[in-house]
Amino acid sequence: AQTVTQSQPEMSVQEAETVTLSCTYDTSENNYYLFWYKQPPSRQMILVIRQEAYKQQNATENRFSVNFQKAAKSFSLKISDSQLGDTAMYFCASTGANSKLTFGKGITLSVRP
Amino acid sequence: KAGVTQTPRYLIKTRGQQVTLSCSPISGHRSVSWYQQTPGQGLQFLFEYFSETQRNKGNFPGRFSGRQFSNSRSEMNVSTLELGDSALYLCASSLLGHSNTGELFFGEGSRLTVL
Repeated sequence: AQTVTQSQPEMSVQEAETVTLSCTYDTSENNYYLFWYKQPPSRQMILVIRQEAYKQQNATENRFSVNFQKAAKSFSLKISDSQLGDTAMYFCASTGANSKLTFGKGITLSVRP
Repeated sequence: KAGVTQTPRYLIKTRGQQVTLSCSPISGHRSVSWYQQTPGQGLQFLFEYFSETQRNKGNFPGRFSGRQFSNSRSEMNVSTLELGDSALYLCASSLLGHSNTGELFFGEGSRLTVL
């Protein structure tokens, strides 16, 4: 079965600093995708960044980048120059059999002013 | 372009009742997925509908059911409600479904409280 593990339930970071959110996954698929989704308080969940497993280059989206370690099945999200608007719950997710998306339990990130 | 719309946003039911939640996807999106979000379990996949057919199903009891209409709008129904069904129910739409591109567009959710 596909699993996604986010072992840290919450983190806090000072505004303008960098924070890294951890995620590990387990899959038997040869080709799969990994994602980080953001859920701000009382707002819709949105896609932050996506990584295709067959691409070695780490994905980046402005201040957001990933460290994808395929052999270790690790997929961490780095947020640079943290902003107050980054305060949210972040979910790591991966596709698996039948392309079903499996989410981790999420991590609550608080950005301190 | 309008986003994913879920109704109702909040509702309170008592044990044993049933509930129907509605989801209107982004125009042109043919796939609608449903998730249950709870603090303890995170997001758990309920089912996915694509062109009126259930394409994927999660590990939920038969009390949870859904359907999709020809205009891609979807409903999910929970019968014989239990206290543990209290959760935020999220709907997500995508153009092609749980494809490998994986980009889902979520609604704001329907928060169900079962008393």
